[in-house]
Amino acid sequence: AQSVAQPEDQVNVAEGNPLTVKCTYSVSGNPYLFWYVQYPNRGLQFLLKYITGDNLVKGSYGFEAEFNKSQTSFHLKKPSALVSDSALYFCAVRDVGDKIIFGKGTRLHILP
Amino acid sequence: DSGVTQTPKHLITATGQRVTLRCSPRSGDLSVYWYQQSLDQGLQFLIQYYNGEERAKGNILERFSAQQFPDLHSELNLSSLELGDSALYFCASSVAASAGNTIYFGEGSWLTVV
Repeated sequence: AQSVAQPEDQVNVAEGNPLTVKCTYSVSGNPYLFWYVQYPNRGLQFLLKYITGDNLVKGSYGFEAEFNKSQTSFHLKKPSALVSDSALYFCAVRDVGDKIIFGKGTRLHILP
Repeated sequence: DSGVTQTPKHLITATGQRVTLRCSPRSGDLSVYWYQQSLDQGLQFLIQYYNGEERAKGNILERFSAQQFPDLHSELNLSSLELGDSALYFCASSVAASAGNTIYFGEGSWLTVV
């Protein structure tokens, strides 16, 4: 079965600094990878996805993610963090049978 | 607003009771997914329907069941409720059942079992 791992439970970044939220994956075949964000007491919002093509994927709110096949990683990045980026971030992979499997989530704290 | 509508938003019920959570997918979406989010288990996939038919099953308890109706809305039925069933239940939908499709989430139904 496909899986993703988010090695960090929490990431703290100062406002204005670049941020990275890490994700590694394990799949058989072509990976279909996603990032979602969850704000407090809200549903998950889609940020971006990698299906095929360019390894650098651009998404919502200035986020981007880099697909690295050799390192089996799909890290989420943003050049300059905002306090409003503080939220819970989920990496996900499409599994057999079309369902999406989520990582445990990484809580991102942007410090003013 | 994702376009996925879930009701009720909050529900408090007693152990042993039965509840039904309702989901209306985005307009035009044929596939519906149910997820459970709890503090200790994270985000767990329960079940998926596509155009009325069950397509994939995850960690769904036998006390839970779901269905998708001809108008494509879906219901998740939770019975013989236990304290441990307290969680946030999400519905999500996508256009079709293919790997590249994005799934969009509703705001969730908070279930508290007391």
